[in-house]
Amino acid sequence: GENVEQHPSTLSVQEGDSAVIKCTYSDSASNYFPWYKQELGKRPQLIIDIRSNVGEKKDQRIAVTLNKTAKHFSLHITETQPEDSAVYFCAAVEYGNKLVFGAGTILRVKS
Amino acid sequence: DAGITQSPRYKITETGRQVTLMCHQTWSHSYMFWYRQDLGHGLRLIYYSAAADITDKGEVPDGYVVSRSKTENFPLTLESATRSQTSVYFCASSGTGGFTGELFFGEGSRLTVL
Repeated sequence: GENVEQHPSTLSVQEGDSAVIKCTYSDSASNYFPWYKQELGKRPQLIIDIRSNVGEKKDQRIAVTLNKTAKHFSLHITETQPEDSAVYFCAAVEYGNKLVFGAGTILRVKS
Repeated sequence: DAGITQSPRYKITETGRQVTLMCHQTWSHSYMFWYRQDLGHGLRLIYYSAAADITDKGEVPDGYVVSRSKTENFPLTLESATRSQTSVYFCASSGTGGFTGELFFGEGSRLTVL
């Protein structure tokens, strides 16, 4: 089955700096890669996603890039703000429409 | 618009007892999922369902039972709870006409097994 690895496990940045979280996946047939944000004590919520026919997607301060050949995808957050502090999860779709998640990255934005 | 709701939100039980976590969604989504969240492991899939009366195992199904007699409900039962099942459990749903990719999560159920 699909295996998703996520790095780093924790990331601290200064407010205004950029943050990058990287994920790799194992199943070359995977074609959908979402990113979820989970604030402390809350439910995970989708923030951005990318499909395998696209190399990059942007939404305001966040962007996701996908390298199908290398089987890795990354989340980029620019001009970080304190409200960006949360746990971020990457995921990939496995056969049968199951989302397999990475272990998560705790992002701390210091003001 | 209630969306997706879980109950109970918090539960403390003892080893060996049966526990059922309820999940109800009002969107008529086809797919429903149960994940458990543990520190260092992210979200791990327990069971999922593509439609009423269709269920399948995920990554960590042992010790759990599910059913889906109605599209809107997807209960998760721990037949004989163990301490290793202490976790936060999230129900999620996706897709009115099929799987869309985006999962909508419930608020979670925090289960403690003593």
